[in-house]
Amino acid sequence: DGGITQSPKYLFRKEGQNVTLSCEQNLNHDAMYWYRQDPGQGLRLIYYSQIVNDFQKGDIAEGYSVSREKKESFPLTVTSAQKNPTAFYLCASSNSPGQGVGLPQHFGDGTRLSIL
Amino acid sequence: GQQVMQIPQYQHVQEGEDFTTYCNSSTTLSNIQWYKQRPGGHPVFLIQLVKSGEVKKQKRLTFQFGEAKKNSSLHITATQTTDVGTYFCAGKNTGGFKTIFGAGTRLFVKA
Repeated sequence: DGGITQSPKYLFRKEGQNVTLSCEQNLNHDAMYWYRQDPGQGLRLIYYSQIVNDFQKGDIAEGYSVSREKKESFPLTVTSAQKNPTAFYLCASSNSPGQGVGLPQHFGDGTRLSIL
Repeated sequence: GQQVMQIPQYQHVQEGEDFTTYCNSSTTLSNIQWYKQRPGGHPVFLIQLVKSGEVKKQKRLTFQFGEAKKNSSLHITATQTTDVGTYFCAGKNTGGFKTIFGAGTRLFVKA
């Protein structure tokens, strides 16, 4: 079945530690996205990538980094510079929106990150 | 920058009552999308509206895109307990790349 796989489902971070969240898709989508969701809140865009080897900062990129070396993969690293990392992290993908009409995003099941 | 505002933040209804959530953008949108997120789950795409004044229906759900393409609404007729969750609108600027999500409306349905 086609879809988006995020791992791990739960992750705990120690002070000063970098952690990496995995996101893999087999939908052959060009565009991939990372969102952060805090309890009872909406989705805030961290980073997005429209094509392999290219990515742009979203609205809350500070303390995060990404790479897009393969079309299928868009890992997110939460660095020690992110002082409040506890949140629900969602990865999504879509066909490339280009500059025309946006296209529906398909979401993974998410990773819940907490500080130890 | 572009903002997408959604109201209300929460709505409690008795099962069988109707429910509406509203979405407003500070800029003209090329399209509006609606998603539903069940408690503990991830957002799931419901529908996309593209044309000015467009109205689409999915069973008890009615989606509307304003004439100026700056606002949208989702109306649920005769809510059921399975409608519980958070409903998000998401809009894309004309000529832009990013889709901006509203903060969502969380629907509670009492049986």
